[in-house]
Amino acid sequence: GAGVSQSPSNKVTEKGKDVELRCDPISGHTALYWYRQSLGQGLEFLIYFQGNSAPDKSGLPSDRFSAERTGGSVSTLTIQRTQQEDSAVYLCASSLMGTHQPQHFGDGTRLSIL
Amino acid sequence: GENVEQHPSTLSVQEGDSAVIKCTYSDSASNYFPWYKQELGKRPQLIIDIRSNVGEKKDQRIAVTLNKTAKHFSLHITETQPEDSAVYFCAAARMDSSYKLIFGSGTRLLVRP
Repeated sequence: GAGVSQSPSNKVTEKGKDVELRCDPISGHTALYWYRQSLGQGLEFLIYFQGNSAPDKSGLPSDRFSAERTGGSVSTLTIQRTQQEDSAVYLCASSLMGTHQPQHFGDGTRLSIL
Repeated sequence: GENVEQHPSTLSVQEGDSAVIKCTYSDSASNYFPWYKQELGKRPQLIIDIRSNVGEKKDQRIAVTLNKTAKHFSLHITETQPEDSAVYFCAAARMDSSYKLIFGSGTRLLVRP
């Protein structure tokens, strides 16, 4: 595809449920990032995948959050036992490998926890 | 930890005037500084970036300056137009190790016609 694709675009769920958010990076991009943007705030780094290297999980806010990237392409971010403070827009970005490669963002998934 | 501070949080200018947004970073090892523009409900779009080995970069009406000693960088938009109205985010990263972008809190720019 032409850009980073995320699904669903919107997700409303009840507190305590698990959710899965999906990201399809730009074809050929080996680096993939997840960020979170709370209402009216900047973007907060969550996790980074680069090729076959171990992911950088340093931004995950709790052990309820996990992510995987299968086959070096599509990534899934999973939030277990959702809480109201998890409500935010979850943005995925991808880039080519190497230094100073710009990150290109998807439209995000707007997650609302009731 | 790593931190990026961005000012002002809101900026209102008359069409045709210049706008300047400033950011300060804490990690002296940061070497890559992109700027993103985000329109309401849209994805952040990269508008310009600068690497630590240059002090200034220009692209038409947009320029970015970097002062490594002071650890700060600025975005300059000249001849502003109403379509420049958006939220602008600065970011900093170490592109030789972690690659993650540390973002500022954003500046809401309003260009009045």
